[in-house]
Amino acid sequence: EVQLVESGGGLVQPGGSLTLSCAATGFTFSSYALQWVRQAPGKGLKYVSAISTSGDKTYYAYSVEDRFIVSRDNSKNILFLQMDSLTAEDTAVYFCARVSPTYSLDRWGQGTLVAVSS
Amino acid sequence: DIQMTQSPSSLSASVGDRVTITCRASDTIKKYLNWYQQKPGKAPKLLIYQTSTLQTGVPSRFSGSGSGTDFTLTISSLQPEDFATYYCQQSYGLLYSFGQGTKVEIK
Repeated sequence: EVQLVESGGGLVQPGGSLTLSCAATGFTFSSYALQWVRQAPGKGLKYVSAISTSGDKTYYAYSVEDRFIVSRDNSKNILFLQMDSLTAEDTAVYFCARVSPTYSLDRWGQGTLVAVSS
Repeated sequence: DIQMTQSPSSLSASVGDRVTITCRASDTIKKYLNWYQQKPGKAPKLLIYQTSTLQTGVPSRFSGSGSGTDFTLTISSLQPEDFATYYCQQSYGLLYSFGQGTKVEIK
């Protein structure tokens, strides 16, 4: 069974840093591009970042570029999102998702909550 | 960036109703339009990809159509489990942008 499990969320002060992880099982991890999507409380879904199968290509929403770094460890089947200089606007549930060969997000994790507050 | 605009933002409907949600892209996205369903506290679930192909396991009362910039999600006969928020998403550009969502509520 395909599973994506996020971890690493929590409460962080403005200006702080946090690294999220997404552990994958049940599929050939290195064969799929992956994305991070976030959802602020009561709001809609927003694209955050994407990474290619090998990790050599990364993409970011304008709101997070220069502050967030996406990476992956294909030997351990883990996706990461390093988040720096966090602000209240980054408060959200962060989902990792698998990019299917048809360019849709066909599997999602359950999400991890990041709360930025003093 | 390609912007996605959904309408309506919310709607009230009864079980058995036919429901239509529209999604417009700010530029052509050819057929690269996906639809997701999200229930409170849960992750989104892929319903339809590339405009009209149902994801495995999705009931046939869901259908999608359109091309270019204008797309539609139709639920032919609304069921109790369909009350949720629906999002369109384009996957033509590098940044996969979402519509703002349509909340389908019980009338």
